[in-house]
Parts: sequence; C-alpha cells; structure tokens
Amino acid sequence: AQSVAQPEDQVNVAEGNPLTVKCTYSVSGNPYLFWYVQYPNRGLQFLLKYITGDNLVKGSYGFEAEFNKSQTSFHLKKPSALVSDSALYFCAVRDGRGSTLGRLYFGRGTQLTVWP
Amino acid sequence: NAGVTQTPKFQVLKTGQSMTLQCAQDMNHEYMSWYRQDPGMGLRLIHYSVGAGITDQGEVPNGYNVSRSTTEDFPLRLLSAAPSQTSVYFCASSYSITPSNQPQHFGDGTRLSIL
Repeated sequence: AQSVAQPEDQVNVAEGNPLTVKCTYSVSGNPYLFWYVQYPNRGLQFLLKYITGDNLVKGSYGFEAEFNKSQTSFHLKKPSALVSDSALYFCAVRDGRGSTLGRLYFGRGTQLTVWP
Repeated sequence: NAGVTQTPKFQVLKTGQSMTLQCAQDMNHEYMSWYRQDPGMGLRLIHYSVGAGITDQGEVPNGYNVSRSTTEDFPLRLLSAAPSQTSVYFCASSYSITPSNQPQHFGDGTRLSIL
C-alpha cells in the first residue's frame, strides 16, 4: 500500500530563514507525490507535485520540493520564510495502479510557524 | 469559476440523526471524493467516485453513503450520526483518475459536531 510519513508535527523558523518540511514515502510503482497547504478554516490548496525526472520541483508562493529516490523523500523547501507561510502542510501520494487507482494518501500534517 | 462548493459550512447534530453533506463542482471533473480530517490523523478517504453512476469505498466508509447521479454533485449521507463522526469533512475533485499526477481541488469543508 502507498503511504507517506511526515516525521515532524511542528516546524518553527524565523522569518527570512530557510525552511524545510520533511516527507518520506513508500510506494509500489511510480511515485505521484504532492504537497498541499491548509490555512485555518479553509480547504487544502495544491502547492506542487513531483514531475518524473525533475529532482527539484518548483511550485506556488516560492515553494519548491526536492525529490530523492534513494532516500524515498520529497521534502518541501523555501529559501526565505514569511510569516504568512504559517499554516498546516500535507504531503500526499496518489495511487497509480491497481484496484486503488486514483486514491490519495495523506501524511499527518506538519504545522509550520514562522516567527517575525 | 466557483471550483468545489460544500454546504453547509457548519452543522450540529444529535446522536442518531441523519443528514446530507452537499458537494458540487463546476469544472466537469470525473473524479470526486470525500475525506474526513481529524487532529493528528491527516485526511482519510471515506468514499470516492470515478464518474456518474460509479462509487466505491475508501479507508473509512462505515456509517456513510454516497451517490453520484450527475457529474457535478457528490452528496455524502450520514445514516445515523454518532459522536465518532464529529470531524471536518472535505470534498475534492480532479479531472480523472489518470494520469495520477493530477492534483485534487478541495472545497472549504463542513465542520460537523455530533452531540
């Protein structure tokens, strides 16, 4: 079965510093990986997705993600954090085959807090 | 373009009551799904549909029913509400299930409390 793990419940960084939100995955077949962000009382917004062959994927709001096949990781990064980046971040993997084709599996989420 | 619209935004029910959470999308998406979000557990798939007339169970389907009579609408029914169903419910859609690198679009959620 497909799964993702987000090892940190909380990440705290100072504004202007780089940030990393970690995600590791377990898949059979090709990895279809995504990052979503959730602001308070809102639904999830798509940030970026893994594209086959690109180890560094760029997404919305200056975020990027680094794909590492040997470490089965897909960490979310931003060079310079903003207070407005404070939100709940979810890593997800979509099933690409079999009877569960199309299903999306989420990590437990990482609460990012950026201090001014 | 409204995207995915969920109603109501908030609801309080008594144990044993039934209700329907509405979800509509205007993007002509084939794939629609319902998730529940509980603290520390991420989102878990309840039911999904790959097109009108076709539905299937996700990870946590017990106590919920769905139907898909049109492409646009995918209502979720709670048959007999239980306190364990207190949660935030999200509806999501994508154009199709393949290719699997399509992101899903989410509604703003329904916050449901069962007393």
